[in-house]
Amino acid sequence: EVQLVQSGAEVKKPGESLRISCKGSGYSFTSYWISWVRQMPGKGLEWMGRIDPSDSYTNYSPSFQGHVTISADKSISTAYLQWSSLKASDTAMYYCARQVGAIEGWFDPWGQGTLVTVSS
Amino acid sequence: NFMLTQPHSVSESPGKTVTISCTRSSGSIASNYVQWYQQRPGSAPTTVIYEDNQRPSGVPDRFSGSIDSSSNSASLTISGLKTEDEADYYCQSYDSSFWVFGGGTKLTVL
Repeated sequence: EVQLVQSGAEVKKPGESLRISCKGSGYSFTSYWISWVRQMPGKGLEWMGRIDPSDSYTNYSPSFQGHVTISADKSISTAYLQWSSLKASDTAMYYCARQVGAIEGWFDPWGQGTLVTVSS
Repeated sequence: NFMLTQPHSVSESPGKTVTISCTRSSGSIASNYVQWYQQRPGSAPTTVIYEDNQRPSGVPDRFSGSIDSSSNSASLTISGLKTEDEADYYCQSYDSSFWVFGGGTKLTVL
């Protein structure tokens, strides 16, 4: 079974750093890109960026460029999303998703989500 | 980049048919595939339609997708509505190395 399992919920203070993870299993991790998607409370889905685990090439939505970093460790089939200095506005659910299909691709499956709460 | 606009909410009765639209703001809707995702409360999204009109295995044939170049929009149609179809639905497409989601539509089955 293809699965993406994300790390658990986090509660952080503004200014703190954070890295959340997404571990793939049941498929060749380096054969599919991984994207990260944000969902703020009560809001819709926003594509943040993606990584090709085979060479760690990334590209980001302009809305998130410079605010987050996406990385991957193919030796342990895990992708990461990290912040160097969190803000209260980073409070959201974050999903990773495997991209399938050709160049355009679509997202399947999705991880279960990691809830990040940033509050003083 | 373009935007994908969906109605905020739709409602219909069990057994009926509902259609959710997704209008592309610029560029042709036919230029890039459209996907549809279902998100039930408290759960991660799942794919119900990919590549405009393809259903993943396990998705019932009550779900169908289409595109209409005249209105520059995509549609998700759900027939024989069931209470379990009550969820948020998001369309999604692609443009030059960026992936775009619609704002989502809340489907109420009452």
